[in-house]
Amino acid sequence: EAGVTQFPSHSVIEKGQTVTLRCDPISGHDNLYWYRRVMGKEIKFLLHFVKESKQDESGMPNNRFLAERTGGTYSTLKVQPAELEDSGVYFCASSPPGQLSSSGANVLTFGAGSRLTVL
Amino acid sequence: AQSVAQPEDQVNVAEGNPLTVKCTYSVSGNPYLFWYVQYPNRGLQFLLKYITGDNLVKGSYGFEAEFNKSQTSFHLKKPSALVSDSALYFCAVRRLSGGYNKLIFGAGTRLAVHP
Repeated sequence: EAGVTQFPSHSVIEKGQTVTLRCDPISGHDNLYWYRRVMGKEIKFLLHFVKESKQDESGMPNNRFLAERTGGTYSTLKVQPAELEDSGVYFCASSPPGQLSSSGANVLTFGAGSRLTVL
Repeated sequence: AQSVAQPEDQVNVAEGNPLTVKCTYSVSGNPYLFWYVQYPNRGLQFLLKYITGDNLVKGSYGFEAEFNKSQTSFHLKKPSALVSDSALYFCAVRRLSGGYNKLIFGAGTRLAVHP
């Protein structure tokens, strides 16, 4: 089975520009998550989709970030306009449908991440 | 609020020696704990999880972790380190949000295994 794929792997942009990151989850995974790791810090939750609906977007930093998941398949995360502090690695993860699994905790499968550098 | 602490930025180990990567947690209720690893230019890979039961959990690549409720710790261990184990390791705790899982991660610990 194909894993979670993310594009681009690395993006370098100037402050004020726009970047769009894409995530293709594992086929059939209704749950899609975005996380971010700023250099040396913890991996922070950004938001969670269940199919095309935003179940939890409490981690989105501000309104310069817009996430979409039209049709409940792939997702995009747009940063507009980008600021220096947006630099980091953006991870996408997916997990099977439903809430808690019988084991009490679905394992999230992560992509390789998209490294964003804002100059 | 749930949180995870990884007190060491980096751990250096000689190949063949045992390794420990430390993790402590703070949760309300029963903890669901995870370890993930990130190899260079790769995504986060699931290593193991603790849900309930035996305090010693075995995972991928020969790793294991010991859940210690009294010390609120979930240290990752391996009896004999390999150079190929060099990577970034993240501890995580589950937080329930509207009935769905959400992972809260630590800052990560870089493991360097020297020949």
